[in-house]
Amino acid sequence: EVHLVESGGGLVQPGGSLRLSCAASGFTLSTYWMSWVRQAPGKGLEWVANINQDGTANLYMDSMEGRFSISRDNAKNSLYLQINSLRADDTAVYYCARVLRDNSNDASDYWGQGTLVTVSS
Amino acid sequence: EIVLTQSPATLSLSPGERAILSCRASQSVSDYLAWYQQKPGQAPRLLIYDTSNRATGIPARFSGSGSGTDFTLTISSLEPEDFAVYYCQQGKTFGQGTKVEIK
Repeated sequence: EVHLVESGGGLVQPGGSLRLSCAASGFTLSTYWMSWVRQAPGKGLEWVANINQDGTANLYMDSMEGRFSISRDNAKNSLYLQINSLRADDTAVYYCARVLRDNSNDASDYWGQGTLVTVSS
Repeated sequence: EIVLTQSPATLSLSPGERAILSCRASQSVSDYLAWYQQKPGQAPRLLIYDTSNRATGIPARFSGSGSGTDFTLTISSLEPEDFAVYYCQQGKTFGQGTKVEIK
């Protein structure tokens, strides 16, 4: 059974950094594109970034490029999201998700339960 | 950049009724149009991909259709567990969501 478990969220001060992790199990991580999607409290879904199977191609939402960095370690069955210079509007639940097929524009068929990032002083 | 506009924002219906949710794109999009269901405190669940294909385990009462800029998610007969928020997605863009609530 496919499982995605995010961790690393928490309370962080504005300007700080955070590294989110996503542990994957039940499938071969190295054969899938993966995504991070976030959801601010009471708001809709917002795509953050995608990464291809071997980590050589990263795609980011235009407004996030530079502060966000997606990476993966297939040997550790893990996906990561580094967020720097955190701002209050980065406060959200961050989900990792598996992309359905070998296309960065595709839907995501499995999602983790999310990890909450709160940016506040 | 593509914008997806969902309507209505809220749909108030009773169990057993048909729900029709709309997703309109600002420009013609490929068939990689997906629909998700999200309940409070839960992650999104994939319902439909490629406009009209049901994801694994999704009941037949959920169906998707459309092309070009206009897409529809239909729930033929609402079950109590179907009251939730629904999002469409194309590539990097999500719609703002439609809440289906009990009338």
